[in-house]
Amino acid sequence: DGGITQSPKYLFRKEGQNVTLSCEQNLNHDAMYWYRQDPGQGLRLIYYSQIVNDFQKGDIAEGYSVSREKKESFPLTVTSAQKNPTAFYLCASSFLGGGQPQHFGDGTRLSIL
Amino acid sequence: QQPVQSPQAVILREGEDAVINCSSSKALYSVHWYRQKHGEAPVFLMILLKGGEQKGHEKISASFNEKKQQSSLYLTASQLSYSGTYFCGTEGGSNSGYALNFGKGTSLLVTP
Repeated sequence: DGGITQSPKYLFRKEGQNVTLSCEQNLNHDAMYWYRQDPGQGLRLIYYSQIVNDFQKGDIAEGYSVSREKKESFPLTVTSAQKNPTAFYLCASSFLGGGQPQHFGDGTRLSIL
Repeated sequence: QQPVQSPQAVILREGEDAVINCSSSKALYSVHWYRQKHGEAPVFLMILLKGGEQKGHEKISASFNEKKQQSSLYLTASQLSYSGTYFCGTEGGSNSGYALNFGKGTSLLVTP
């Protein structure tokens, strides 16, 4: 079955440490997205990518970095510059173009030690 | 730029109806609706496109007023399984890579 897989499900970060969240999809989608979810805030866009080796900043990109070396994979690195990283991180993918539904992974919950 | 959803929360008895509203200050290409259960991934419900086309759930209906940049989600004869948080996502078109701006969500609880 096709789907989108995020790992790990839970992640803990120490002060000054970078951590990487994995996102893999086998839906043959070109577009991939990273969202951050905080209680009562909805989903906020961090980065998105429409094609391999290209990505764009979303509304809250500071303190995060991404890469898109393969169509299937869009890892997110939370750097030490992100001072408040505790949140639920969701990865999504879709076909290109307008009006395409986004399919979400099960999320990664990141906490500070 | 974040769309505004109303109400923030609603409690229903099984079988009652509810309407959730979403409004934007920007011109919209489409409006997406998702439902999220606690601790789970959002699940796609429906897309409404400019021009009136709809894609999605057969048991849930929605409207999209392009001129007012507003959308409403109609939940009729609610079931216990409808409980969750509903998000609208607005799509601004090719200039923004078709990325979505999500509202803060509407929490819906259906009780027996």
